[in-house]
Amino acid sequence: TQLLEQSPQFLSIQEGENLTVYCNSSSVFSSLQWYRQEPGEGPVLLVTVVTGGEVKKLKRLTFQFGDARKDSSLHITAAQPGDTGLYLCAGYYTGRRALTFGSGTRLQVQP
Amino acid sequence: DTGVSQDPRHKITKRGQNVTFRCDPISEHNRLYWYRQTLGQGPEFLTYFQNEAQLEKSRLLSDRFSAERPKGSFSTLEIQRTEQGDSAMYLCASSPGTSGQETQYFGPGTRLLVL
Repeated sequence: TQLLEQSPQFLSIQEGENLTVYCNSSSVFSSLQWYRQEPGEGPVLLVTVVTGGEVKKLKRLTFQFGDARKDSSLHITAAQPGDTGLYLCAGYYTGRRALTFGSGTRLQVQP
Repeated sequence: DTGVSQDPRHKITKRGQNVTFRCDPISEHNRLYWYRQTLGQGPEFLTYFQNEAQLEKSRLLSDRFSAERPKGSFSTLEIQRTEQGDSAMYLCASSPGTSGQETQYFGPGTRLLVL
C-alpha cells in the first residue's frame, strides 16, 4: 500500500508569519502536484513538480521536490488571510494513472 | 473552456435510495476520473476512463457503484441502495489523455448526504 503523509494536519497562524507544509512517502513519485481546496469546492492546482531537487515559486509560495522524489514541501512566506484553505499534495506513483492524495493540511491565517 | 462541471452540487437522500451524478469534463479531454472525499481527508481514487473505456477501478468501488461514459464525453456515477457511509464529496477530474501522467483538473464536486 502506497501511503502519502502530510504534516501538520492543522495550522493556525497570524498574518505575516511563515509556514512550511510537508508531504512524505516511502515510495518514489513520478511527479507530484500541490492543490488548494476551499470549503465546498474541488481542488485547484497550484503547481506540478517532476524533477528531483526541483524548486518552483508562485508569488509567496515555494515548492520543493526532494532529491529522491519521495518528499515535497510547500513554504508560504508572509501568510495572508487569503491563503486560508486545505492544502493537498498528490502524487503519481510509477505506472499509475490515478493520483494518490495526502490527507491535507488545513491552514487558517488570522488577520 | 468552462472547466469541469458537476451536477448536482448537493444531494440529500434517504438510505436505500439510488442516486446518479453527472460530470462534464473539459472539452477535448479524453481522460476522466472519479474520486471520493470524506470529511477531513484527501480525495480517494474510485475509477477512470480513457474515452469511453473504463480502465481502472479502485477496491473502494463496491458493486453498488457503477460509472459510465457512453460516448466518451460526459460521465455518470450511480450509487444503488445508498448507505450512510456513502456520504461524501464526489469529485470528477479530467485530463487531456495524451501522455502517461497528466495534470488533472477538478470539478466543484457533488456533496452527498445519506440520511
